Order: sequence, then C-alpha cells, then structure tokens
Amino acid sequence: GAVVSQHPSRVICKSGTSVKIECRSLDFQATTMFWYRQFPKQSLMLMATSNEGSKATYEQGVEKDKFLINHTSLTLSTLTVTSAHPEDSSFYICSASSLVYEQYFGPGTRLTVT
Amino acid sequence: QKEVEQDPGPLSVPEGAIVSLNCTYSNSAFQYFMWYRQYSRKGPELLMYTYSSGNKEDGRFTAQVDKSSKYISLFIRDSQPSDSATYLCAMSARETSGSRLTFGEGTQLTVNP
Repeated sequence: GAVVSQHPSRVICKSGTSVKIECRSLDFQATTMFWYRQFPKQSLMLMATSNEGSKATYEQGVEKDKFLINHTSLTLSTLTVTSAHPEDSSFYICSASSLVYEQYFGPGTRLTVT
Repeated sequence: QKEVEQDPGPLSVPEGAIVSLNCTYSNSAFQYFMWYRQYSRKGPELLMYTYSSGNKEDGRFTAQVDKSSKYISLFIRDSQPSDSATYLCAMSARETSGSRLTFGEGTQLTVNP
C-alpha cells in the first residue's frame, strides 16, 4: 500500500506560461501533502505543506502567488507554477501522509522552462 | 550549522561489501528517524522508519539510532549493484503523519559488480 502518483512525469513549457502538477494518493487518504523541490545532486527543499480543505503553509522564501497549491480532496493536491521562468526549472516532488502512514513520496515531475 | 549533517560521498564499494551510511543532527527534539533511497530522477522510497533510540532490521538493512550521540546509521549487508542510489536520512520531532521532515543532503552510493 501507500502509493503516491504524480502527473505529468515531465513537462516542457515556454517562459511565461503556467504549469499544473497533480499529486494523488492512490490507496489511502492523505490528510497532509507536502511539495518539495530538488536541484541536481541536492537534497529535497520543502516548499509548502497543505492540509485538505485549508490553505497551504509556505516555507520562508517561497512565493505563494507563484507556486499555487490546492488540496481539494483527501487524495489530490495540485501545484501550479504560474508565469514560469527558466529558473523555475527543477524536479518537483510531492509526498503524502495520513494518520496511519508516514510520508510517502511521488515519483517526481521534471519541469523544464524554455 | 545545518540541523542534519550527512556526508554526500560519493561512496563506491564492491559488490558484497557492508555499507555504512551515517547522519548526525543537532536538534534534540527529533524522535522519528527515517532512511530513504532515491534512484536517479525518481522520488524517494521509504526504506526504514525508527522511533527513538535502538536498532531495527529489515532483510539486508539495519537502522541504528543513538540519541545520546545524536547519530543515526544505516547498514547494508551483502550490497548489490541494485543498491546503487542516493540515500537520504530524514527526521522529525513529531509523528511523521502531517509533520515536516528535515533531510540530510543524501549520500550517493555506487556498488560495483
């Protein structure tokens, strides 16, 4: 059990456009979902924490208007990168947890902004 | 000073070797300790989860926590080429359901056939 999926697995977009990434817990209800960003050969940097039905809590230095997070159900959270720029190119990973399960991670989404 | 320190490696060992991976931490509030394995361009996969001090064994993997020294270890016995990955330690002050994790930098391991 405890499977988390992400879609898309990779996306290429033009500078100035917006991109939405979905994170789903497939076999459990996730009360909390986390969004991370990872640069090559570096560890995971927590961007925000979202609880179902409430606003996300963003880490210091993360622009909430640029990285829009919605956690509209117990199995789905979305991250929208608005007006993407090349410096937003990165590997974005979500994780999900519940009262029963520890954090389980999705496979990640590689975003390339041209 | 980082809350969690982990030697990034890279670490290269021959197949069959015993691998020792370690993390130190400074926050005495950490109670829950995890090891994740991350293959290139994939999400981290939970390997071991321990609470407080002690040992936990799962197949070829053994996790050790020494809270008095603020030191955690992951041992891999009879290492295989398929163990080649980046290993991340992570820890939390509260039960991880809903709690943020603090990660080490990750240690890149290569097991050579």
